[in-house]
Amino acid sequence: GENVGLHLPTLSVQEGDNSIINCAYSNSASDYFIWYKQESGKGPQFIIDIRSNMDKRQGQRVTVLLNKTVKHLSLQIAATQPGDSAVYFCAENIRAAGNKLTFGGGTRVLVKP
Amino acid sequence: SAVISQKPSRDICQRGTSLTIQCQVDSQVTMMFWYRQQPGQSLTLIATANQGSEATYESGFVIDKFPISRPNLTFSTLTVSNMSPEDSSIYLCSVVLADVRNINYEQYFGPGTRLTVT
Repeated sequence: GENVGLHLPTLSVQEGDNSIINCAYSNSASDYFIWYKQESGKGPQFIIDIRSNMDKRQGQRVTVLLNKTVKHLSLQIAATQPGDSAVYFCAENIRAAGNKLTFGGGTRVLVKP
Repeated sequence: SAVISQKPSRDICQRGTSLTIQCQVDSQVTMMFWYRQQPGQSLTLIATANQGSEATYESGFVIDKFPISRPNLTFSTLTVSNMSPEDSSIYLCSVVLADVRNINYEQYFGPGTRLTVT
């Protein structure tokens, strides 16, 4: 189902600390998940993805964890930098249904110097 | 990744008028989508733009309000018709790229078109 957030939760992080952004997805049939970063005035930027047959995937400074039992997704950012300040969205997808993404409500990350 | 451009980047329009937004991709893509992002909110899928056939609309969106064209594999347009202030949003074009093994289907977004209706 759709999840349109009216209020964006905010995560304040000290520069250099690790950030953890959480997302609860809605459809147990979803088999592909993506994290996006959206900076002010820009479109969403692809960060990392994970398929449902995996529970962890690592990229450069980012790790995505998937817990299908509780339908939970998280994005971990290591050594958070000022450039990481943005809104982060998770998205779920059922590829057999046409690659249509359903987005979560988003989390705003503010990095404090 | 793909380079996606949208025109216009922003516009201020009067109610009752229509605006056509263009999306251009630098490579041929199978799947293109149009999303709407209302102020301070998440993204909602409007429709799938099908090449050579009518677009597939999501619940709550209709062709008369949001006509879509997709004449080829690199270009699509979305028209916001008979606009009202409630149509003020960011409209985003998106494409799906399959990796060479067709395992992952990464979806990329254009920069968006910021529409304000007065």
